[in-house]
Amino acid sequence: GAGVSQSPRYKVAKRGQDVALRCDPISGHVSLFWYQQALGQGPEFLTYFQNEAQLDKSGLPSDRFFAERPEGSVSTLKIQRTQQEDSAVYLCASSLGGFYYGYTFGSGTRLTVV
Amino acid sequence: AQKVTQAQTEISVVEKEDVTLDCVYETRDTTYYLFWYKQPPSGELVFLIRRNSFDEQNEISGRYSWNFQKSTSSFNFTITASQVVDSAVYFCALRQLRFGNEKLTFGTGTRLTIIP
Repeated sequence: GAGVSQSPRYKVAKRGQDVALRCDPISGHVSLFWYQQALGQGPEFLTYFQNEAQLDKSGLPSDRFFAERPEGSVSTLKIQRTQQEDSAVYLCASSLGGFYYGYTFGSGTRLTVV
Repeated sequence: AQKVTQAQTEISVVEKEDVTLDCVYETRDTTYYLFWYKQPPSGELVFLIRRNSFDEQNEISGRYSWNFQKSTSSFNFTITASQVVDSAVYFCALRQLRFGNEKLTFGTGTRLTIIP
């Protein structure tokens, strides 16, 4: 597609429920990133893939967060046993990779845990 | 550790006024990239500019200009003759130039409101 597509756009989950957020990057983009943006804050890095390899997951806040990109294109961010503090916008970005190319961000998934 | 500070939480100006958004960064690296992004109400982050730490030339793009001063670790953004469509949250971000480390460190953003 022309841009980075994220689904669902909005998700309401009951505390303790598992959720899965999907990111479709731009075709051919090697690098894929997940960021978490709490209300009124800047995006914070969660994890990064180069093709199917997860090169950095240092930003994942707990072992309840898990991300995968099995075929090097679509990625899924899974949050198990959601907590209220997980409520945020989850942004996905993709890039051709390397230092020169910029990132294209999706519109995000707004997760509300009630 | 890297850090980006945007001290201005919210700014409001009347349309056609000029406005400057401040960005101060901290890094121990000598080479890095600096970015500005715009986040309209729709939520996506729109790329505005990338600046390499080697290049301290100021840049102008239409009504937008950027002032990069390595000596003060600042990368400020000025909008000239502001318009209502400029209303958004603006983020400054920093990226290390290390292979395999492509993550961006963002500031907390400045919410800009242009009053018609």
